[in-house]
Amino acid sequence: RKEVEQDPGPFNVPEGATVAFNCTYSNSASQSFFWYRQDCRKEPKLLMSVYSSGNEDGRFTAQLNRASQYISLLIRDSKLSDSATYLCVVNMGGYGGSQGNLIFGKGTKLSVKP
Amino acid sequence: ETGVTQTPRHLVMGMTNKKSLKCEQHLGHNAMYWYKQSAKKPLELMFVYSLEERVENNSVPSRFSPECPNSSHLFLHLHTLQPEDSALYLCASSQARFSYEQYFGPGTRLTVT
Repeated sequence: RKEVEQDPGPFNVPEGATVAFNCTYSNSASQSFFWYRQDCRKEPKLLMSVYSSGNEDGRFTAQLNRASQYISLLIRDSKLSDSATYLCVVNMGGYGGSQGNLIFGKGTKLSVKP
Repeated sequence: ETGVTQTPRHLVMGMTNKKSLKCEQHLGHNAMYWYKQSAKKPLELMFVYSLEERVENNSVPSRFSPECPNSSHLFLHLHTLQPEDSALYLCASSQARFSYEQYFGPGTRLTVT
């Protein structure tokens, strides 16, 4: 099983649509979770952290289900500028060896059309 | 405006060449990273430096040689690369080794011919 698995898409949606991305991770010891956004031919940038209680930032809502080792990102009222690849990222945490490294999924590509 | 810069942005090199990638962070961070991003693959961590000490070498071939002369600068020296090494090489930094937010540079698009 891959460490962090995402549906690669592409997700092609009209402006104003609601779209959801899912991600699963294999290591139950993982401690921190994030969504990064990567625009075409650009570097990844942190979009938001994912907390156990779920968290919202404007049109974006992130959820974590530790029991199922599952993370989601919901985007409401999609804008053209939301078109990008969304990377699910997991941090093992801890202080030894590879713990603390960020493990990236391949990303889910979103294309918002007018 | 990113706090992490990388040069060159694009590089084409032959398999017998030697070149170096440069990364500089202006954020006062103590940890720096090299990642490789290939088409249809997730970002792969290559090297980690914390307080100028290499703390991780993620099974990277010896034709890639990192150097961290100070906490603001990171280099990746390349020699006798293979065509499969063509990829986007991203540098990142974070406040500390286990800080969760990493800031990425724009990357160097490397093509090995």
